[in-house]
Amino acid sequence: AQKVTQAQTEISVVEKEDVTLDCVYETRDTTYYLFWYKQPPSGELVFLIRRNSFDEQNEISGRYSWNFQKSTSSFNFTITASQVVDSAVYFCALSGLSNDYKLSFGAGTTVTVRA
Amino acid sequence: GAVVSQHPSWVICKSGTSVKIECRSLDFQATTMFWYRQFPKQSLMLMATSNEGSKATYEQGVEKDKFLINHASLTLSTLTVTSAHPEDSSFYICSATLPPTSDEQFFGPGTRLTVL
Repeated sequence: AQKVTQAQTEISVVEKEDVTLDCVYETRDTTYYLFWYKQPPSGELVFLIRRNSFDEQNEISGRYSWNFQKSTSSFNFTITASQVVDSAVYFCALSGLSNDYKLSFGAGTTVTVRA
Repeated sequence: GAVVSQHPSWVICKSGTSVKIECRSLDFQATTMFWYRQFPKQSLMLMATSNEGSKATYEQGVEKDKFLINHASLTLSTLTVTSAHPEDSSFYICSATLPPTSDEQFFGPGTRLTVL
């Protein structure tokens, strides 16, 4: 079975603060994929990153960075110097062969960035 | 590339009527399409997996006679909510996978259904 846990329901920060979103997953697959999506108030899912289980390198893209720790089954996401436009719901998701690559989503974390 | 569209973007209907939602892959032929439902302040829940030319596979607890899925071509899947009731009001999102792999999904913009 696959499971994704996003323990933080809501996070509120002031602009320019850093915010880290936690994601912990469970899977029996040896090959699997992890994703982060952003869902702004408009509702459309915005793809942020896809990482396969064999690539544990951390990644940075602009103000976004991801920390993949296979040893702790975590794939955390950090927004540096947050901006009001970062306000959205962020979902972590997992897919693997055992589930026919169907996506299992976490519950989501609502990020509110105040000016 | 890999753009998925949905139509309509929102729909309001009376209780008891049926509503059809279209999901199209605009610039690629999709191996598989997925339908999700998202209630307010909740996560996306997979409803069914749809492959062109074959019957959809529904997730546990999803009524296949209520949520009819037709995948007539490699670029179009439709979800029909039959005899809709207020509890069916939700945000419906489709996604499609890009051949040859099935490990990444491209999402449509979603359809907001309100049943009065």
